[in-house]
Amino acid sequence: QLQLQESGPGLVKPSETLSLTCSVSGGSINNKNYYWGWIRQPPGKGLEWIGSIHYSGTTYYTPSLNSRVTISVDTSKNQLSLRLSSVTAADTAVYYCARHSYYYDSSGSFYYFDYWGQGTLVTVSS
Amino acid sequence: QSALTQPPSASGSPGQSVTISCTGSISDVGTYKYVSWYQQHPGKAPKLLIYEVNKRPSGVPDRFSGSKSGNTASLTVSGLQAEDEADYYCNSYAGGNNWVFGTGTKVTVL
Repeated sequence: QLQLQESGPGLVKPSETLSLTCSVSGGSINNKNYYWGWIRQPPGKGLEWIGSIHYSGTTYYTPSLNSRVTISVDTSKNQLSLRLSSVTAADTAVYYCARHSYYYDSSGSFYYFDYWGQGTLVTVSS
Repeated sequence: QSALTQPPSASGSPGQSVTISCTGSISDVGTYKYVSWYQQHPGKAPKLLIYEVNKRPSGVPDRFSGSKSGNTASLTVSGLQAEDEADYYCNSYAGGNNWVFGTGTKVTVL
């Protein structure tokens, strides 16, 4: 069974860089049919897609965060990482990593987030 | 890219049906069939319920169904059960490898 686990500091100071890692177990990141995404959820609010990365390095980001976000992948460790620079209180959220199915074949098309980590709360505060 | 619009809340009695709307634009829901729905219980990660507008992954009860008309997608939960009380989110492809979630709907089982 595929499992994803986020890790990283739970507290980040304003203007600094938020860094998180997502470890994937029970399956390989090296699969052409899947991207691996980051989604966040401010306390009491809705979900926001941050971006997704393919093991090849192809990356897509949401336009509103494009200037501050970097997602990378380490295939040797089966991990993906998120870096968000110049954070403010508005970046306080639970951050989730998820498998982003991203393919079509003869049986149909498969574009969705099907496996999620448990999420990790990151608070931006001095 | 703006979030898709969902009603903040919806409710129904056990056994009844509830339908949640997800309104976007011609740039997302209105053009693409890649609409998915997620259920989220408090303190838990979201769970995939529906993909490609109306397809259910293995293991999701057929009480959950999806549809789309124009710029609005909908999720219907039939035969409401206590465990269906949760938050529900839609998600749509918005072109240019961009994805957008809905604002979320809290479903209460009365």
